[in-house]
Amino acid sequence: QKEVEQDPGPLSVPEGAIVSLNCTYSNSAFQYFMWYRQYSRKGPELLMYTYSSGNKEDGRFTAQVDKSSKYISLFIRDSQPSDSATYLCAMRAGNNRKLIWGLGTSLAVNP
Amino acid sequence: EADIYQTPRYLVIGTGKKITLECSQTMGHDKMYWYQQDPGMELHLIHYSYGVNSTEKGDLSSESTVSRIRTEHFPLTLESARPSHTSQYLCASGDNLMNTEAFFGQGTRLTVV
Repeated sequence: QKEVEQDPGPLSVPEGAIVSLNCTYSNSAFQYFMWYRQYSRKGPELLMYTYSSGNKEDGRFTAQVDKSSKYISLFIRDSQPSDSATYLCAMRAGNNRKLIWGLGTSLAVNP
Repeated sequence: EADIYQTPRYLVIGTGKKITLECSQTMGHDKMYWYQQDPGMELHLIHYSYGVNSTEKGDLSSESTVSRIRTEHFPLTLESARPSHTSQYLCASGDNLMNTEAFFGQGTRLTVV
C-alpha cells in the first residue's frame, strides 16, 4: 500500500463549479502538507503549504488537513478553465527530508 | 515567475553518450533537488543538496551524479546514457524557512535512443 493515495481522475467539471481534490495517507508522522499544480509540459507549482491540522485559504483555494482521519483536501471555488491541470499532493514528516508524493489528479474545467 | 532554469528543455541522445542537465536558480536558495517524473508515476527524488559541497542520493536508485560547487548551480550528469534513462527530469529549489520544494524548473525531457 502506498503511503499517499490520490485518485488520478480524470475529473471534469463545468466552469464556476466548486472542485474538491483529496488525498489520504497512512503515516501519522506527516506534519507538512503541500498541494502543487502542474500544467502539461511544465514543472509543478507550489499552491498551498500547511503545517499540522486546520484550514488555510488563499484566494479561490482552500486547503484542509484532518490529521485524525489522515485526509487532506484542496477546494477550488469558482473554478476557471485556467485551473485545468494536474494537482499533486505531497507531505513529509517533521524530521524527514523526503517528500512523499501522490500520483496527481487530472482536472478539466470546461467553459 | 520562478527564477529557476533548466537546460536543455528537450534532448534526444544516443546510448552510451555522456550528458549533463543544467539547473540554475537566482534566489539564493540553499536547498536544491533533482526529481524524475514518468507518466502515471509519482515524482521520485534522485538527488538533493542542502548547500555548497553537500549532495545526497534520493530514494530512487540512479546512475547519475550531481555536484554543488556554487549555490546557484546544481548540474546532473549521466556518464553513459541508456534507454532506461528516458524520462522527465525536474529541478527544484527551496529556502530553509519553508522546508519544501518551493520552485520547480520547466523540466528536461530526455530521450535516449
